[in-house]
Amino acid sequence: AQSVSQHNHHVILSEAASLELGCNYSYGGTVNLFWYVQYPGQHLQLLLKYFSGDPLVKGIKGFEAEFIKSKFSFNLRKPSVQWSDTAEYFCAVKSGAGSYQLTFGKGTKLSVIP
Amino acid sequence: DVKVTQSSRYLVKRTGEKVFLECVQDMDHENMFWYRQDPGLGLRLIYFSYDVKMKEKGDIPEGYSVSREKKERFSLILESASTNQTSMYLCASRPWATEAFFGQGTRLTVV
Repeated sequence: AQSVSQHNHHVILSEAASLELGCNYSYGGTVNLFWYVQYPGQHLQLLLKYFSGDPLVKGIKGFEAEFIKSKFSFNLRKPSVQWSDTAEYFCAVKSGAGSYQLTFGKGTKLSVIP
Repeated sequence: DVKVTQSSRYLVKRTGEKVFLECVQDMDHENMFWYRQDPGLGLRLIYFSYDVKMKEKGDIPEGYSVSREKKERFSLILESASTNQTSMYLCASRPWATEAFFGQGTRLTVV
């Protein structure tokens, strides 16, 4: 079974600091990769996704992620965080064209201090 | 916009009760999912369905069942609620080739 690891449980940053959240997955074949965000009291929303092509993916709100196949990684980055980025971030993987299942990591809580 | 609607935001039920959580999506998606979300554990898949009347167990199906009689509706059933089923329940739907869309969640407390 595939698995997804997010390296940090809780990250605390000051505004304007740069962000990188790690995500590694276990499946060796073709994958679709996602980052979701959950703001306090709100539903999960898609930040960005990778299906194929350019491994550097740009998403909403200035976020980007890089797919590195050799490292089974899909790390999320943002050059300068804002207080409004305080949220929980989830990495998710769907393996293979015939797979239905979307597997999530345990999430990383980001707290941005003004 | 895709809309995934869960019937209740908050529910309080007694141990042993039969509990129904309903989810409706308005975009004719083939796939629907039920997850539970617990602090420090992320989202864990309970059941999913890839077509009407079709269902597959996820990672933690014990104590749950599901029903999908119509394409737009996917119900999660707790046959006999227990306190360890107190959690946030998230429904999602997804077409074949793109991302999943989530509902607002149902926070279930079993007392």
